[in-house]
Amino acid sequence: ETGVTQSPTHLIKTRGQQVTLRCSSQSGHNTVSWYQQALGQGPQFIFQYYREEENGRGNFPPRFSGLQFPNYSSELNVNALELDDSALYLCASSSGGGLAVPYEQYFGPGTRLTVT
Amino acid sequence: AQKVTQAQTEISVVEKEDVTLDCVYETRDTTYYLFWYKQPPSGELVFLIRRNSFDEQNEISGRYSWNFQKSTSSFNFTITASQVVDSAVYFCALSEGNQAGTALIFGKGTTLSVSS
Repeated sequence: ETGVTQSPTHLIKTRGQQVTLRCSSQSGHNTVSWYQQALGQGPQFIFQYYREEENGRGNFPPRFSGLQFPNYSSELNVNALELDDSALYLCASSSGGGLAVPYEQYFGPGTRLTVT
Repeated sequence: AQKVTQAQTEISVVEKEDVTLDCVYETRDTTYYLFWYKQPPSGELVFLIRRNSFDEQNEISGRYSWNFQKSTSSFNFTITASQVVDSAVYFCALSEGNQAGTALIFGKGTTLSVSS
């Protein structure tokens, strides 16, 4: 069973640029969630995708957008990067996304984004 | 509104000591789920346990045990006979079962340091 993978591991971008982060879900999982974890803080929910549709969104501006593909992998796109976007971005996959029952979410190792 | 509070920022213990990590949650829903995750220095969140609001039985898994008390809105985690490998940041999280999307709301985490 393959776990959740994310790429790249680390990324350095300049303020105002755009970035795309990628996530492959665990085998058998149809739901992908993205979280932002600032240094010393708990992860904050960005959004969730199920069957290629956004299925819930946290308190993040529209410049944070995502995609889910037919194979359940996902991308997180951030436009007009700001210094405060520097964080660890975590992807989590789970099953049963069509139900309002939160199954266990399994996390990837994250992408460390630094905005200068 | 949902909220998770982990009042202990850092805890230091010596190997073989027992340690309890506190978690207090707030929610207006009667159906909700509580989680604990471990984040070792590598950064990847590791799932430990999920409990639903209708099951108040305490749970034990090896050296780990969880005490769920709805009367005090707490879901505390105890490690018995701690080991150096238990050193990590531990997060408590909450998810409500009746909303679109199954976002996890995390506390700020408790950093546990176990010395030999």
